[in-house]
Amino acid sequence: QVQLKESGPGLVQPSQTLSLTCTVSGFSLTSNSVHWVRQPPGKGLEWVGAIWSGGSTDYNSALKSRLSISRDTSKSQVFLKMNSLQTEDTAIYFCTRRRDFDYWGQGVMVTVSS
Amino acid sequence: DIVMTQAPLSVSVTPGESASISCRSSKSLLHSNGITYVYWYLQKPGKSPQLLIYRMSNLASGVPDRFSGSGSETDFTLKISRVEAEDVGIYYCGQLLENPYTFGAGTKLELK
Repeated sequence: QVQLKESGPGLVQPSQTLSLTCTVSGFSLTSNSVHWVRQPPGKGLEWVGAIWSGGSTDYNSALKSRLSISRDTSKSQVFLKMNSLQTEDTAIYFCTRRRDFDYWGQGVMVTVSS
Repeated sequence: DIVMTQAPLSVSVTPGESASISCRSSKSLLHSNGITYVYWYLQKPGKSPQLLIYRMSNLASGVPDRFSGSGSETDFTLKISRVEAEDVGIYYCGQLLENPYTFGAGTKLELK
């Protein structure tokens, strides 16, 4: 069955770089896009960016200068890297499948704090 | 960016009654291909969002047919018939037409 699972550090220091991994199963990354969506504590959803089935990427313009999304199809993994982290980047980060966002991972809480 | 405005921000419903949530977009979500790229998600307490309705009126797999979506190019409605305890949570509309994809602020559904 389709599954997505996020992993990464729970705590990141301000100005440092966040690295997250989304490991998927039950579908192919070469046939499906994967998106990142984040949710600050107690707040709504914000689309972060995507890597499409062909390997191209799209980013939220508000984050574009700090963001990189890549993948390793052989390992069924998608990577998110965001630099120059600030406290407002504290959020649950979800990975989700396809432009419909039809399947979601459980999310990983990232806290930016010294 | 396309702004999605939901109303109400909270709703209290008696089990068995129906509920409607509205969502308005700041721009038409009708693509030239005839598809309207509005979606509805439910986030149950402590859980990830789950897809309910895709492309305005299509029921996602496994979602009860008590849920339905409708609308025009900029005004959309999610209707829940015969609300049940498992429907409690926050409902989000979202536009997946253009970058950046954006969501409404959410509507919290509670039971009376």
